[in-house]
Amino acid sequence: DTGVSQNPRHKITKRGQNVTFRCDPISEHNRLYWYRQTLGQGPEFLTYFQNEAQLEKSRLLSDRFSAERPKGSFSTLEIQRTEQGDSAMYLCASSFRVGTGVHEQFFGPGTRLTVL
Amino acid sequence: AQTVTQSQPEMSVQEAETVTLSCTYDTSESDYYLFWYKQPPSRQMILVIRQEAYKQQNATENRFSVNFQKAAKSFSLKISDSQLGDAAMYFCATGAGSYQLTFGKGTKLSVIP
Repeated sequence: DTGVSQNPRHKITKRGQNVTFRCDPISEHNRLYWYRQTLGQGPEFLTYFQNEAQLEKSRLLSDRFSAERPKGSFSTLEIQRTEQGDSAMYLCASSFRVGTGVHEQFFGPGTRLTVL
Repeated sequence: AQTVTQSQPEMSVQEAETVTLSCTYDTSESDYYLFWYKQPPSRQMILVIRQEAYKQQNATENRFSVNFQKAAKSFSLKISDSQLGDAAMYFCATGAGSYQLTFGKGTKLSVIP
């Protein structure tokens, strides 16, 4: 399977614990995005990378959230001191950008986080 | 800033019939793109169709077509000959520049056999 993969698919944690999610994009894609989707809502943008550089962060991304993309390959999203309000589906997407224009983003299956 | 509004939380259609999902948007960008994504239950989102705002011709993709009204900032999706596999959440989204997409809240489409 050459699509976007995310691990784990489900994560249950207790409030105050740290969690880390991983995203493996499609191999030739240079852009990687993180979104958060809560029940009954569409995905909301969190942050994106072009290669290894984090170029944009949403105001939704509080100081407890950090994302990395070492070497421009896979990415990790860490949430420290989780809160119940962090419970959501975390989606990763990737795209290949050449030149101008908005290119199709390919989404992974998501990681569903439940904070007890 | 960009906003996307989908006013129909749920829709249903008889198998083989046609259904139209509504979407309105607002953007301050002059060069932008519009998308419809499909999210089947417990499966990942996939792109259904995209439209470049600078193109007047409405995009089509097999049974899927859009009605893009730029002045009205409207971007509806028409699904013809509906199939059971079309049942899913459908999200309208807009993007400008080169990165983030802004999504609506989605429309849940049910297909009745």
